[in-house]
Amino acid sequence: TQLLEQSPQFLSIQEGENLTVYCNSSSVFSSLQWYRQEPGEGPVLLVTVVTGGEVKKLKRLTFQFGDARKDSSLHITAAQPGDTGLYLCAGAHAGGATNKLIFGTGTLLAVQP
Amino acid sequence: DAGITQSPRYKITETGRQVTLMCHQTWSHSYMFWYRQDLGHGLRLIYYSAAADITDKGEVSDGYVVSRSKTENFPLTLESATRSQTSVYFCASSESFNNSPLHFGNGTRLTVT
Repeated sequence: TQLLEQSPQFLSIQEGENLTVYCNSSSVFSSLQWYRQEPGEGPVLLVTVVTGGEVKKLKRLTFQFGDARKDSSLHITAAQPGDTGLYLCAGAHAGGATNKLIFGTGTLLAVQP
Repeated sequence: DAGITQSPRYKITETGRQVTLMCHQTWSHSYMFWYRQDLGHGLRLIYYSAAADITDKGEVSDGYVVSRSKTENFPLTLESATRSQTSVYFCASSESFNNSPLHFGNGTRLTVT
């Protein structure tokens, strides 16, 4: 089974701090998605990256796809309590086929006010 | 309201019983998916469907059965529930098959005693 390792598994920070979440694999992915999941809800897509080295920004969130398309990172600037949640990366093989999505184990982020 | 609805939200059943989890989407998305979410494993694909009457196994399909007689419904049945099937189950849909976001329901928490 191909794995997507996320680190750290848990992160508790104060409001205003910066943080980076990592998503690593030994496999090459054709695309990678990041989701955020809040308690009692399903994951919600944040971004999809498809090109090696690609950087995408979503307000205070910056996503980067590794040059070799084996890893990705999510950087949050000036975290806010509303950023609290479980962050999941999901890599796709075979041209991005959705049935081939491999999900990481997640990073649980708690931002304290 | 448009969206994807799962029912029930919570279910407790006994080992050996048959239980069906329901999923309904109003977007007319062709593709639908069932995942289970367990601590330490992330989201794992159980079954998916490309259209009505077309279904295929995912990574962890043993012990599960699905059907898709109508585009909008994708029920998941546990034929004889086991304790190892205690999990949170998520249904999802997507518009297309490549690099397309998954739209998740809010999950069903199933406990098998």
